[in-house]
Amino acid sequence: KQEVTQIPAALSVPEGENLVLNCSFTDSAIYNLQWFRQDPGKGLTSLLLIQSSQREQTSGRLNASLDKSSGRSTLYIAASQPGDSATYLCAASGSRLTFGEGTQLTVNP
Amino acid sequence: GAVVSQHPSWVICKSGTSVKIECRSLDFQATTMFWYRQFPKQSLMLMATSNEGSKATYEQGVEKDKFLINHASLTLSTLTVTSAHPEDSSFYICSARGPRDYSFWTYEQYFGPGTRLTVT
Repeated sequence: KQEVTQIPAALSVPEGENLVLNCSFTDSAIYNLQWFRQDPGKGLTSLLLIQSSQREQTSGRLNASLDKSSGRSTLYIAASQPGDSATYLCAASGSRLTFGEGTQLTVNP
Repeated sequence: GAVVSQHPSWVICKSGTSVKIECRSLDFQATTMFWYRQFPKQSLMLMATSNEGSKATYEQGVEKDKFLINHASLTLSTLTVTSAHPEDSSFYICSARGPRDYSFWTYEQYFGPGTRLTVT
């Protein structure tokens, strides 16, 4: 059974700081790894999807990497802004999509 | 991009009544739809997977007689919470597997905006 863990559970940083969110998964037999953003009381916004054959994906200030052999993915956010404050979820796609518990990010102005 | 809608966005109902939540794929045909439940401060938990024209597959611990799922067409799935109780109050999110072209083979799922259910 796939298990997905996200560290840290919460993170508070000053505006402008670069930061890394971590995601680990136990079963490397995945189709892809997705990163989502969730604002309070809202649904999920897909940020990046990394296919199992890829090593990383970039979108604007976001960069996600995937290392299947070690069961790890990282989401790098450059020059963080207060608007980046949200919960970030990673999800590993195997026979089903398994979510981590999320990292609650607060970027202070 | 692929868009999934849910209706209603929020609903309040009295204990013992039933409520139906709709999930629609607006610009693509979704052969598979998923229903998740999310409690406050927790992650998403898969409730069931539905394939168009087939019975839904429920996750362990999810009562199929309480959470009725119908996937009658390639663009619509419904979740009916029967005889709702306060403990059913939650955020329900549906998801659809991508179009039959590129996204289908990447197994990407597109998520709806969620429905907040409050049972009083």
